[in-house]
Amino acid sequence: DGGITQSPKYLFRKEGQNVTLSCEQNLNHDAMYWYRQDPGQGLRLIYYSQIVNDFQKGDIAEGYSVSREKKESFPLTVTSAQKNPTAFYLCASSIFEGSDTQYFGPGTRLTVL
Amino acid sequence: QKEVEQNSGPLSVPEGAIASLNCTYSDRVSQSFFWYRQYSGKSPELIMSIYSNGDKEDGRFTAQLNKASQYVSLLIRDSQPSDSATYLCAVNRGGGADGLTFGKGTHLIIQP
Repeated sequence: DGGITQSPKYLFRKEGQNVTLSCEQNLNHDAMYWYRQDPGQGLRLIYYSQIVNDFQKGDIAEGYSVSREKKESFPLTVTSAQKNPTAFYLCASSIFEGSDTQYFGPGTRLTVL
Repeated sequence: QKEVEQNSGPLSVPEGAIASLNCTYSDRVSQSFFWYRQYSGKSPELIMSIYSNGDKEDGRFTAQLNKASQYVSLLIRDSQPSDSATYLCAVNRGGGADGLTFGKGTHLIIQP
């Protein structure tokens, strides 16, 4: 089945630790995105990548880092510099050429203890 | 800062009635508009996309776009209890695949 997978579903982290969230897609989509959602809030764009080995900051990139070494994969690292990391993290992808419609993975819920 | 505004609700609608959800956006150059449905604890699911002024219908859902008024709406006909969810309006941030700007969502409750 084609789709977007994110792992883990739930993640607990101690303060001061870096954690990496996985996002993989087998839709052959060119563009991939990371969003963050806080309770009662809309989604906010963290980073996005339109092609392999290239990515751009979104509105709230501070304290996060990404890589795009393969078309299928776009991992997000939440660093210890992120002051309020507890949130629901959503990965999305889109074809890019001719369409900006985005499809979402199931999300990772990160809790900092 | 580009903004997308939605009434947070909750919006309560009787089963079988029409639910009307509204959204306004600030960036006049926006070209692509989307409605997503999000159940509690789940990720957003695409319902409709619309790019041209006017109406676009898909089953029980109709999206309406008025670029002059910077206004997008979603109508849900014959509302069902399973339609109870948060509906997110999203607008493209620029050309190509620069990501979307989302509203905070409207919480819709369909009363049996």
